Amino acid sequence: TQLLEQSPQFLSIQEGENLTVYCNSSSVFSSLQWYRQEPGEGPVLLVTVVTGGEVKKLKRLTFQFGDARKDSSLHITAAQPGDTGLYLCAGAQSYTGRRALTFGSGTRLQVQP
Amino acid sequence: KAGVTQTPRYLIKTRGQQVTLSCSPISGHRSVSWYQQTPGQGLQFLFEYFSETQRNKGNFPGRFSGRQFSNSRSEMNVSTLELGDSALYLCASSASGGGETQYFGPGTRLLVL
Repeated sequence: TQLLEQSPQFLSIQEGENLTVYCNSSSVFSSLQWYRQEPGEGPVLLVTVVTGGEVKKLKRLTFQFGDARKDSSLHITAAQPGDTGLYLCAGAQSYTGRRALTFGSGTRLQVQP
Repeated sequence: KAGVTQTPRYLIKTRGQQVTLSCSPISGHRSVSWYQQTPGQGLQFLFEYFSETQRNKGNFPGRFSGRQFSNSRSEMNVSTLELGDSALYLCASSASGGGETQYFGPGTRLLVL
């Protein structure tokens, strides 16, 4: 059973559309990170959210951490072909002594021009 | 500051062989984590090294091992390769580990025939 569930798994949209990716868990995380990975490369960090209810914006990307720190969402406004890639959420549970990040299964986004 | 580097980038081996992958972390980073990424299982944690000691271990068989040197460079070894070991192996470094931001290398793509 995946500790972090991402949805949807695949998303193909037209340039200019909006989209939201969800990352859900029944567990509490001390922080949650979002990464984007392009083919043939390693994941690149987009943002880290730490506080329940926190909202962070990165240009057209808006990240939200749930109040209970069990879930997060990534919203992209007016998607562009350059947003194409695999989006991964990853949770840290440092309060449990577990040091490794737990990754979600990923959302593969394709933005058609 | 140079990023995380991994060598080699691509590797083809046959079943039963063994392989060693190398990772050089960002200068000053003491924590190195290894992950296996496959289309079916996503990103799975292998192990983490900090100051030459294995600090965390995922659920992989003993055929997967690693080590870290005094300069924080790390190697990962897989013995008696199986077809299912074909994957992208990613290395990530952070200043001290513990779920903080991890910086990934480009990965080594291993194909086992």
